[in-house]
Amino acid sequence: GAVVSQHPSWVICKSGTSVKIECRSLDFQATTMFWYRQFPKQSLMLMATSNEGSKATYEQGVEKDKFLINHASLTLSTLTVTSAHPEDSSFYICSARDQRPSTDTQYFGPGTRLTVL
Amino acid sequence: AQSVTQLDSQVPVFEEAPVELRCNYSSSVSVYLFWYVQYPNQGLQLLLKYLSGSTLVKGINGFEAEFNKSQTSFHLRKPSVHISDTAEYFCAVSRGVEISSGSARQLTFGSGTQLTVLP
Repeated sequence: GAVVSQHPSWVICKSGTSVKIECRSLDFQATTMFWYRQFPKQSLMLMATSNEGSKATYEQGVEKDKFLINHASLTLSTLTVTSAHPEDSSFYICSARDQRPSTDTQYFGPGTRLTVL
Repeated sequence: AQSVTQLDSQVPVFEEAPVELRCNYSSSVSVYLFWYVQYPNQGLQLLLKYLSGSTLVKGINGFEAEFNKSQTSFHLRKPSVHISDTAEYFCAVSRGVEISSGSARQLTFGSGTQLTVLP
């Protein structure tokens, strides 16, 4: 299957700092990427849909000024958690949509564990 | 809107026994269906998917699932499990018809089923 990478795999930061997470599709172009958040022993919660060359679409209850998304190219989307606080600690997972008709499937990155102290 | 129900939050099973993880969905439009597996502290890996065609879908690691439209189900099965199959399994659904580029095949996930294979 297609490969999606995330960087970093884990990060620890102080409260008030900003953290950037990168999501890359390595062997296909993705006009659409998705950002999810997962709490321990829970399912994935969609935060936003990232579209290349346009503004991201945020789900209800997700602060767009808090979670900045940039989809600057067909293989890269970034999520920046601004002024992070301990309640932002979570597992963040991205996915990229392979839109080729033969597959049309989301492929997921390995996730980023964010811990805010 | 779509919704997905995974009826069993935890399924313990002995090694080499068969297993079925249940998934039911609701939707007013045609859907695509997926099963993903998540190992601890990792992202999701696609096990199998149903887009169209044969209702019996075979995936990786010996898993298969059957799409049953009348029962709105997509149960995951494996005839003989291994210790290495211990993981969290998520069923997901997306709209089968794209309304607009913004709908972009958003996935709706079930709550997950923890499969634990016992020696």
